[in-house]
Amino acid sequence: DAGVIQSPRHEVTEMGQEVTLRCKPISGHNSLFWYRQTMMRGLELLIYFNNNVPIDDSGMPEDRFSAKMPNASFSTLKIQPSEPRDSAVYFCASTSDTEAFFGQGTRLTVV
Amino acid sequence: RKEVEQDPGPFNVPEGATVAFNCTYSNSASQSFFWYRQDCRKEPKLLMSVYSSGNEDGRFTAQLNRASQYISLLIRDSKLSDSATYLCVVPHMDTGRRALTFGSGTRLQVQP
Repeated sequence: DAGVIQSPRHEVTEMGQEVTLRCKPISGHNSLFWYRQTMMRGLELLIYFNNNVPIDDSGMPEDRFSAKMPNASFSTLKIQPSEPRDSAVYFCASTSDTEAFFGQGTRLTVV
Repeated sequence: RKEVEQDPGPFNVPEGATVAFNCTYSNSASQSFFWYRQDCRKEPKLLMSVYSSGNEDGRFTAQLNRASQYISLLIRDSKLSDSATYLCVVPHMDTGRRALTFGSGTRLQVQP
């Protein structure tokens, strides 16, 4: 397995634009997590899915953020409209019973 | 109180030194714990799991103190390559599902 795959690796966009981040979890993993990491706030859980169902989205900052998992092999995190304070590294992780595996992250810069 | 708290550091230690980090957690129902390592501009990766009182793997020892609700990570004979951020992770049951809460990390810098 190639591991958790995220795309794009880097995204630079202008304020107000829509941004879509993508994640392909490891096949067979039932849970998928979206995290955001900044120097100031560390690693924050945004939302997680279990068997494609959103379980807890209390970490999603505001209505500008939305996440979907239409099937077991794909998830998206969308920001619309984006703002400079959304600049961060966004990680997707999928879990087996004993370990969480992270993708390499998407480094988002909103200018 | 935060769910998971760590001293951000940085811990600056010479090669060969022994260094220990602590992590406190608030959810007394948590049964298992993890230490992840994150290198600069990389994703976190699992270092060790702690399911009972402790776990040892080579130079690394993780210990759990349930009474005081903290876990520790001890690194002996530290190497330059140990320089990284160490994240404490506490799974918790949320509506019957597991979610992972990460501490903010402790940065270690091993110096020659």
